[in-house]
Amino acid sequence: DTAVSQTPKYLVTQMGNDKSIKCEQNLGHDTMYWYKQDSKKFLKIMFSYNNKELIINETVPNRFSPKSPDKAHLNLHINSLELGDSAVYFCASSRGLGTGGGDTQYFGPGTRLTVL
Amino acid sequence: GQQVMQIPQYQHVQEGEDFTTYCNSSTTLSNIQWYKQRPGGHPVFLIQLVKSGEVKKQKRLTFQFGEAKKNSSLHITATQTTDVGTYFCAGHFGNEKLTFGTGTRLTIIP
Repeated sequence: DTAVSQTPKYLVTQMGNDKSIKCEQNLGHDTMYWYKQDSKKFLKIMFSYNNKELIINETVPNRFSPKSPDKAHLNLHINSLELGDSAVYFCASSRGLGTGGGDTQYFGPGTRLTVL
Repeated sequence: GQQVMQIPQYQHVQEGEDFTTYCNSSTTLSNIQWYKQRPGGHPVFLIQLVKSGEVKKQKRLTFQFGEAKKNSSLHITATQTTDVGTYFCAGHFGNEKLTFGTGTRLTIIP
């Protein structure tokens, strides 16, 4: 049983297209995240949702729009894809708010996005 | 914003040698976590340290949290090929979100 799953695993698309990545967790966690990992392996948080409510929104272009239909799902839609969006996108979840309390995070397998 | 730096960025060691990565913050952390990401994989939680000066061990891995709670280290004794990957520290500044360090990529020469 996969705890945090993402689809698709690979995504290759042309510049200017719109694409979505889906994430689901079956851990019963309240908080879900999107991270972007660039070619240098830096992990940058993008968004965080707690019980379907947006709680973290880092400085991310508004072409990126997260949606959480319920607390087990967090999707990421990207409009007008650019070359610089090429990266691995990780979904993660944690039991609590993920702030200060020492919550550990469980990561999905990642989606490798390549924009041509 | 708050940052967590790790050194070195890359480390190549001969199999059997020891390895250490260091994590530094300019301000106090409320806790520190360590994650390992295998090549092509995703970050996986290893351990959490909360107390000043805390030391924890997991087999060949030793984790330390500094007395001032501004730095941490991960030491691997007698590395094996299965230790290959990128090691991230991550910490909370007060009640803020988890901030990941810049990572140390370890490669092992067999």
